[in-house]
Amino acid sequence: QSALTQSASVSGSPGQSITISCTGTSSDVGSYNLVSWYQQHSGKAPKLMIYEVTKRPSGVSNRFSGSKSGNTASLTISGLQAEDEADYYCCSYAGSRNWVLFGGGTKLTVL
Amino acid sequence: EVQLVASGGGLMQPGGSLNVSCAAAGFAVSSDSMTWVRQSPGKGLEWVSVIYTGDKTFYSDSVKGRFTISRDNSKNTLYLQMNNLTAEDTAVYYCVRLAPFSSFSTFDYWGLGTLVTVSS
Repeated sequence: QSALTQSASVSGSPGQSITISCTGTSSDVGSYNLVSWYQQHSGKAPKLMIYEVTKRPSGVSNRFSGSKSGNTASLTISGLQAEDEADYYCCSYAGSRNWVLFGGGTKLTVL
Repeated sequence: EVQLVASGGGLMQPGGSLNVSCAAAGFAVSSDSMTWVRQSPGKGLEWVSVIYTGDKTFYSDSVKGRFTISRDNSKNTLYLQMNNLTAEDTAVYYCVRLAPFSSFSTFDYWGLGTLVTVSS
């Protein structure tokens, strides 16, 4: 099973909003509202930012939001801050055979 | 405070075996489902294995038949026994808790990973 598809990089200036997309198939993203997003700063372990498509764990800024349409999920970061510069990975449940798939990651640069 | 600390990584020769462990604190590994996720150098994340609270286990196709996930509840520790290692198994291995407030693809705590390098 192929990984979910994410653009390799995205950039934005402080205060702007950016959106990272994650494209799967009707067997994973399209079938389940079980998409999560992770932030990974260089040399650190990933951190959960969004789960079940739209939900934010306690402690995560409300500048982070998630959505889904068809086979594509999206992570939007509003009011960009320098500390948001990191790699972002999407993840989706893919059924009992493949369990979960990750996206290839998107590198966010804050200009 | 929840903590997960993986250890046991190192340099291994192709075909070798290695058992990495993950000591948990702040919760009981017996009461939550646990997974291993790996990240090859400079690459993305890849799910490896999961062990549910009922001890049912699943593996990715890339490691099925070679890796075994297990836990020792008395030591509050998760393990990953890796056999017949290949260069493609070179990665940082993270032990990760499956969020008890969600399911399947929600990983709420990630440990400090351990690097496994397979090279001759």
